[in-house]
Amino acid sequence: GAVVSQHPSWVICKSGTSVKIECRSLDFQATTMFWYRQFPKQSLMLMATSNEGSKATYEQGVEKDKFLINHASLTLSTLTVTSAHPEDSSFYICSATDMTNTGELFFGEGSRLTVL
Amino acid sequence: ELKVEQNPLFLSMQEGKNYTIYCNYSTTSDRLYWYRQDPGKSLESLFVLLSNGAVKQEGRLMASLDTKARLSTLHITAAVHDLSATYFCAVLYNNNDMRFGAGTRLTVKP
Repeated sequence: GAVVSQHPSWVICKSGTSVKIECRSLDFQATTMFWYRQFPKQSLMLMATSNEGSKATYEQGVEKDKFLINHASLTLSTLTVTSAHPEDSSFYICSATDMTNTGELFFGEGSRLTVL
Repeated sequence: ELKVEQNPLFLSMQEGKNYTIYCNYSTTSDRLYWYRQDPGKSLESLFVLLSNGAVKQEGRLMASLDTKARLSTLHITAAVHDLSATYFCAVLYNNNDMRFGAGTRLTVKP
C-alpha cells in the first residue's frame, strides 16, 4: 500500500524555539494532506487541510501564524510550530490522499513533540 | 454541526467473546473509515466503507455501514489479546473534511 513518511519521529525542544515536521508521500502524489494533533488518551483533532500549491485551510481555534503549513509539492507538506511552548507538546500526525475512488487515507508514523 | 459519536469509549472483554463497537454520525458522508491505534503509534487502516450496505471482514473484525441510519459497526468475533488497542471511526465530508470519533479503548483479557 501507499506509504506516508513523517519526520522526525520525536523531537524535544526548548520553549520559544520553532520546530518543523515533514510529511512525505513516498509512492503517490498527495493532492491533499491533513495535519492532526492528538493529546494523550484523546482522539485526533484536525488542525488544517492543505492542498498542493494553495494556502492551508485551518480549523477553528487553530492559530495559522503559530502552525505554519506549507504544501509546496505533491509529495511534501511541512508543519512548523513557531515559538513553541509546553502546551504545544503533543503527538502530531499527518495523512495524505490522492483522492482516488478508493478514498484511502494514508497516515504518517506521527511526530511526538515535547517542549521543555 | 458535524458530529461523530462512538461507543463504548472503553471496553474490557475476555478472550473468545464477541462484541460490537458503534459509530454514529450526524451528516451525510462520503466515506467511513475504521482505524486501529496502538499506544505511542500512528493509525493503522482497517476498513474503508464507501456505500450503503457495505460489509468488509478481515480476520476477527467485520465492519458494516448503514448510510440511512448514519451508523457503522465494527464487530469483534472471538476476541484475542492481540486485538487490544484503541479503535477509531472517522467520517469524510465533502471529500476534504475528516472527523474522528472519540475512540474505543479495547482491552482483551485472557
